Amino acid sequence: GQQVMQIPQYQHVQEGEDFTTYCNSSTTLSNIQWYKQRPGGHPVFLIQLVKSGEVKKQKRLTFQFGEAKKNSSLHITATQTTDVGTYFCAGPNTGNQFYFGTGTSLTVIP
Amino acid sequence: DTGVSQNPRHKITKRGQNVTFRCDPISEHNRLYWYRQTLGQGPEFLTYFQNEAQLEKSRLLSDRFSAERPKGSFSTLEIQRTEQGDSAMYLCASSLGRNRGRGGGYTFGSGTRLTVV
Repeated sequence: GQQVMQIPQYQHVQEGEDFTTYCNSSTTLSNIQWYKQRPGGHPVFLIQLVKSGEVKKQKRLTFQFGEAKKNSSLHITATQTTDVGTYFCAGPNTGNQFYFGTGTSLTVIP
Repeated sequence: DTGVSQNPRHKITKRGQNVTFRCDPISEHNRLYWYRQTLGQGPEFLTYFQNEAQLEKSRLLSDRFSAERPKGSFSTLEIQRTEQGDSAMYLCASSLGRNRGRGGGYTFGSGTRLTVV
């Protein structure tokens, strides 16, 4: 079945440093979504990427979808303590239900 | 409150008991999903409804699990003869569909945390 893997599993950064998480799929994805889950919270939708090579920005967050539509990345510039949480990518299966990646847990050290 | 509502927030039950969770999605969302999440893992897909029709079930959903969405609005997830391995956060999500509103992104509820003792 479709699998979405993320690296790294954990990342600790000093406040102000940049952070990147990578998402890789074993199959070509029609689209990919990104979610953020704060500690003790539930996943919150951030963005959806659809086009090959697409790049979208949300303030300090930059999302990319690979040319082959098998990988994606989320980059955060100048991290803040409010960025703490686990970031998940999610890709659709043939039925278009989304399967979540393993997640990258971000800790920001003040 | 216009978000996805789940009840109860927490449930502690003895092994072998039956439990039922409820999810009230965003009213205009026709799609409803159940996921299960354990500590340190991503949400795992369980089942999906479009309106009242259950269109997909994961193989994770054993015959002890059943979900309904009788009128295409709220949904219930029942677990019969609970086992300790069922302990997890059960998340409900709803959406308008892939290409409608927020790019098809899911709105999750706060979840029901089940502990089987």
